[in-house]
Amino acid sequence: GDSVTQTEGPVTLSEGTSLTVNCSYETKQYPTLFWYVQYPGEGPQLLFKVPKANEKGSSRGFEATYNKEATSFHLQKASVQESDSAVYYCALSDTNAYKVIFGKGTHLHVLP
Amino acid sequence: EAAVTQSPRNKVAVTGGKVTLSCNQTNNHNNMYWYRQDTGHGLRLIHYSYGAGSTEKGDIPDGYKASRPSQENFSLILELATPSQTSVYFCASGDATGAYAEQFFGPGTRLTVL
Repeated sequence: GDSVTQTEGPVTLSEGTSLTVNCSYETKQYPTLFWYVQYPGEGPQLLFKVPKANEKGSSRGFEATYNKEATSFHLQKASVQESDSAVYYCALSDTNAYKVIFGKGTHLHVLP
Repeated sequence: EAAVTQSPRNKVAVTGGKVTLSCNQTNNHNNMYWYRQDTGHGLRLIHYSYGAGSTEKGDIPDGYKASRPSQENFSLILELATPSQTSVYFCASGDATGAYAEQFFGPGTRLTVL
């Protein structure tokens, strides 16, 4: 079945450093790919989505490219801030059952 | 104005007791979902629904039932709660179009079963 594998956390960085969270996926379909973010005490919320292969999504300084050949969707940010501390989920849509398949999440701590 | 709300936000239950978690959405979405979130497992799908009157089993449905009496409301029911069901539960709603199946989450319910 469909699956998503992402960087295991926690990931601890200092403010101003760069971030990469790896995400790879398996599916026989043509999914939309997502990155969700969950701040402490809140539910997950969409960071951005990319419905087409070889396109890039971005929001709040984060970006990821839908690489169909490598089946990857790595999250990157050039310079993280303390306010970016959160859990990040990579996900893909299951078009047959209208479900979203989530990775296990990556907890990011950014130190001031 | 929050579009997906959950109640209660915190719940302490006893083993063997019945627990009902409620979810309401004002997004007018057809699909609704219940997840549990545990360290090391991320978000796991328990039950979901395509519309009023429908419920479908997700990936971990054992020990849980669901009810969708209306477009807006979706409940998760633990008939005989066990300590292994201690977790944070999230409800979500989403559009019917699978290819763009963005989901909108509620704030979560923290359930402790003693």
